[in-house]
Amino acid sequence: KAGVTQTPRYLIKTRGQQVTLSCSPISGHRSVSWYQQTPGQGLQFLFEYFSETQRNKGNFPGRFSGRQFSNSRSEMNVSTLELGDSALYLCASSAGLAGMVDGELFFGEGSRLTVL
Amino acid sequence: AQSVSQHNHHVILSEAASLELGCNYSYGGTVNLFWYVQYPGQHLQLLLKYFSGDPLVKGIKGFEAEFIKSKFSFNLRKPSVQWSDTAEYFCAVNAQLRGNTPLVFGKGTRLSVIA
Repeated sequence: KAGVTQTPRYLIKTRGQQVTLSCSPISGHRSVSWYQQTPGQGLQFLFEYFSETQRNKGNFPGRFSGRQFSNSRSEMNVSTLELGDSALYLCASSAGLAGMVDGELFFGEGSRLTVL
Repeated sequence: AQSVSQHNHHVILSEAASLELGCNYSYGGTVNLFWYVQYPGQHLQLLLKYFSGDPLVKGIKGFEAEFIKSKFSFNLRKPSVQWSDTAEYFCAVNAQLRGNTPLVFGKGTRLSVIA
């Protein structure tokens, strides 16, 4: 079956702009988790959605937001972009809640955001 | 909140050498533990997981990890590495609390295997 699909794969924005990233999970998966990956910090947890409800949120400013639709597809938005937001944004889906017995994460290829 | 420490940023080994990558976590309660691997140009994928039972768990490609509760550790091992094991390895922890807690990753260890 198809894997996790993230769009766009690459994008370049300037400071102050906003960006929306999209994630289509594996069919049947109800949970979508978002992570920010940078060389120095590894994977930092942004948020997890399960059945359209935000279950957890990481330690990121309010400029980072997300949502999940009834078909489990998810979007994340970053407003008022800063240079430090340049990173690879990874989406992962799981059948159940991430980290639980049925919560094996399946990752997408990521959306690489560059902020100039 | 729980945190995960991976002691080695970059490990370089020759083929056939033994591997041990350290992982320590901060949460004192019951945890679910994972190792994920990212091969060059590929997605992150699950290597192995521990929920309960035998603290020595075996994963794909000959990897194993041992959960030592008293040391808050979940180290990854492989007796003999191959060039194809070159990748970045991430330890992840999920605290078993009432309600769901996020899966927290360490910063990763890059493994380079040389011929």
